[in-house]
Amino acid sequence: DAEITQSPRHKITETGRQVTLACHQTWNHNNMFWYRQDLGHGLRLIHYSYGVQDTNKGEVSDGYSVSRSNTEDLPLTLESAASSQTSVYFCASSESGGNAEKLFFGSGTQLSVL
Amino acid sequence: AQRVTQPEKLLSVFKGAPVELKCNYSYSGSPELFWYVQYSRQRLQLLLRHISRESIKGFTADLNKGETSFHLKKPFAQEEDSAMYYCALNTDKLIFGTGTRLQVFP
Repeated sequence: DAEITQSPRHKITETGRQVTLACHQTWNHNNMFWYRQDLGHGLRLIHYSYGVQDTNKGEVSDGYSVSRSNTEDLPLTLESAASSQTSVYFCASSESGGNAEKLFFGSGTQLSVL
Repeated sequence: AQRVTQPEKLLSVFKGAPVELKCNYSYSGSPELFWYVQYSRQRLQLLLRHISRESIKGFTADLNKGETSFHLKKPFAQEEDSAMYYCALNTDKLIFGTGTRLQVFP
């Protein structure tokens, strides 16, 4: 069955380290998204991509980067982790066109920056 | 500014009581609105979209452009409805509200 997977499920890192969170989908979706989920803020969009070599900044993109070298993967990199980036991170994907707003979410990555 | 507001962080009701989860939006274009739900230990998933005018698991939501609202309603809450609910607005990407946790007590 098609799927969207995130790894790792849990990550603890130190301030200043570079961290990469993986997201892999097998639906062949063009659209992929990264959100962070924080109490009181809900889901906030970090970066998104509408296809290979396409990346766009969301509302909370500072300190994060993504790359899209193929359809299946959109890794999220924290260049220099900060305690404010402790959060739960969700990757999502969707089709292009009329069903673009139906997002399929991964199970999330709990990141703790100490 | 494009914004989705869910004023209630937590809504607690007893089984069988009516439920209304509030959602207001701010958007200059023609709005497309959705409700997403996250049950305990499950992934976030689409519950319903306003263009479908559908009822899913007994929930309905009507778009009121005059009041810029898209409240989620269910006449008789069930314990299995306990979850986190997010209202979302589609611009060229989805913007989510802050979420409302619904607790349904037996």
